[in-house]
Amino acid sequence: NAGVTQTPKFRVLKTGQSMTLLCAQDMNHEYMYWYRQDPGMGLRLIHYSVGEGTTAKGEVPDGYNVSRLKKQNFLLGLESAAPSQTSVYFCASTRSMGNYGYTFGSGTRLTVV
Amino acid sequence: AQSVTQLGSHVSVSEGALVLLRCNYSSSVPPYLFWYVQYPNQGLQLLLKYTSAATLVKGINGFEAEFKKSETSFHLTKPSAHMSDAAEYFCAVSGGGNTGNQFYFGTGTSLTVIP
Repeated sequence: NAGVTQTPKFRVLKTGQSMTLLCAQDMNHEYMYWYRQDPGMGLRLIHYSVGEGTTAKGEVPDGYNVSRLKKQNFLLGLESAAPSQTSVYFCASTRSMGNYGYTFGSGTRLTVV
Repeated sequence: AQSVTQLGSHVSVSEGALVLLRCNYSSSVPPYLFWYVQYPNQGLQLLLKYTSAATLVKGINGFEAEFKKSETSFHLTKPSAHMSDAAEYFCAVSGGGNTGNQFYFGTGTSLTVIP
């Protein structure tokens, strides 16, 4: 089925370790986003991309980096994980500007110990 | 900057009762507004969206929302709650072109349906 695929689904990291979360979409969407979801805080935007080769910071970008080398993929990296980065991470994509809703992935649950 | 406020982080209703989840938005221009539903351990699914074509918007699973500009509200309703409606609901507003079309989400409302 077409959609947004996130890998991995679960991960436990030790403080200071690094990792990369992969988001892949097969809908030819231009715009892609990384959000984190924490209890009582809704979803907060980490970084986003409006096209291949472009990225921009969102509301909570510190401690994260992203890359969009291919249109269908959007990678989120944690260089040195901290317990404060324990969260559920969601990737989303949308066709373009306008009233198109987002298509979300199923999420990555990350625990940093 | 756009923002949304969801009143009530937890709402409980009896099965068959009216569901009302509140959302107020802050936007300097006519907004694009959305409601999403999240079932446990899943991603968010689009319930409905406001596109200015009509103030009353019908979505999936019997939900609807009414856009009221004078009240800056976009409340979600369902006439008769079903057990399967138990989930977390998020209201969102689109930020528009200057923000890369990012969405601003409310903090969510957890709906419990009591048998």
